[in-house]
Amino acid sequence: GAGVSQSPSNKVTEKGKDVELRCDPISGHTALYWYRQSLGQGLEFLIYFQGNSAPDKSGLPSDRFSAERTGGSVSTLTIQRTQQEDSAVYLCASSRPTTGELFFGEGSRLTVL
Amino acid sequence: GENVEQHPSTLSVQEGDSAVIKCTYSDSASNYFPWYKQELGKRPQLIIDIRSNVGEKKDQRIAVTLNKTAKHFSLHITETQPEDSAVYFCAASMSNTGKLIFGQGTTLQVKP
Repeated sequence: GAGVSQSPSNKVTEKGKDVELRCDPISGHTALYWYRQSLGQGLEFLIYFQGNSAPDKSGLPSDRFSAERTGGSVSTLTIQRTQQEDSAVYLCASSRPTTGELFFGEGSRLTVL
Repeated sequence: GENVEQHPSTLSVQEGDSAVIKCTYSDSASNYFPWYKQELGKRPQLIIDIRSNVGEKKDQRIAVTLNKTAKHFSLHITETQPEDSAVYFCAASMSNTGKLIFGQGTTLQVKP
């Protein structure tokens, strides 16, 4: 595809359930980011993958959050035992390290009831 | 780690006036400073960026200035138009890590 693709676009789940959010970056982009945006709030850094380096997980808010990037391409963000405060839009972005510009996906809107 | 502070959180100007948004960063090793614009319901998009080897960059009605000594950088929008209304985010990163940290955002409203 031409841009960063995220799925699902919307997810409603019950408190305590696990969710998986998927990000398909632009082909050839070695850097991949996950950010969280709560309603009317800023872009909270979660995790950063760069090539084959170990990911920077310093932004993950708790051990219920984890992310993988398989084969240097697709990434999955997993939230276990969801809580209501996890409700937000989860944005994925990718970039070529030479330019620095981030290309964002449309986001996955998560609602935890 | 890097911390980016942005202000004001909201800014309202009349069409045609200028708007200025300011950011400070904590890590003196940061050397890349982009600005993103997010229109309502849309994804953030890069509008301008500056690297630490220059002090100012302009692109039509938009300019960014960087003061490395003071660790702050600013976005200047001149001759504002209603379509400039959006949320603007500053960010900072180091080239050796690439991790991009964003400020809290500024909601700009341009009144016709």
